[in-house]
Amino acid sequence: SQQGEEDPQALSIQEGENATMNCSYKTSINNLQWYRQNSGRGLVHLILIRSNEREKHSGRLRVTLDTSKKSSSLLITASRAADTASYFCATDPSGNTPLVFGKGTRLSVIA
Amino acid sequence: DGGITQSPKYLFRKEGQNVTLSCEQNLNHDAMYWYRQDPGQGLRLIYYSQIVNDFQKGDIAEGYSVSREKKESFPLTVTSAQKNPTAFYLCASSTIPQGRKGYTFGSGTRLTVV
Repeated sequence: SQQGEEDPQALSIQEGENATMNCSYKTSINNLQWYRQNSGRGLVHLILIRSNEREKHSGRLRVTLDTSKKSSSLLITASRAADTASYFCATDPSGNTPLVFGKGTRLSVIA
Repeated sequence: DGGITQSPKYLFRKEGQNVTLSCEQNLNHDAMYWYRQDPGQGLRLIYYSQIVNDFQKGDIAEGYSVSREKKESFPLTVTSAQKNPTAFYLCASSTIPQGRKGYTFGSGTRLTVV
């Protein structure tokens, strides 16, 4: 079952602009994670936010979590062409069960 | 450097044939996972294992089998019972419980039925 749903499915922006991707989920979680996938490659872990946290930063990434709305957002600031990839949210229901991934957002950053 | 290795990168299967995808990790992770990815879709869980000699079915286990004889290795066999095996297969590993680093993924195996 896929719990996370990303929005939008695809996003195209100019280099230097900010990119915002959203994720909604259905059941309670222990934590929510964001991953990046370059075309034809494996996923790379970007950031993890726990259910008792509201915001996390890592470099140009900012993640928010609203457990009352069961939603999260990933903001990439000052985007670069190298940020072009698919981004997936993944929910962890209990901390000890497999992650459930959404369908992803395809981000294209045009130089 | 520690990591997770999947092989082969590309695999072609004839109708009615079983094929095995390799996944090896040297991260000393207890848990290993197999996911399937279809175009435009997210990742769907096939099998996972949290300890040697034990594994659990995921959402789409039918037509697949696994073994976990060593902590480092978690091979996936796609059997002839899997009617639509063409997909991108991803192996991952993690600590138990998961730490802040989440899952480490391999680079994937693309399986095509010919």
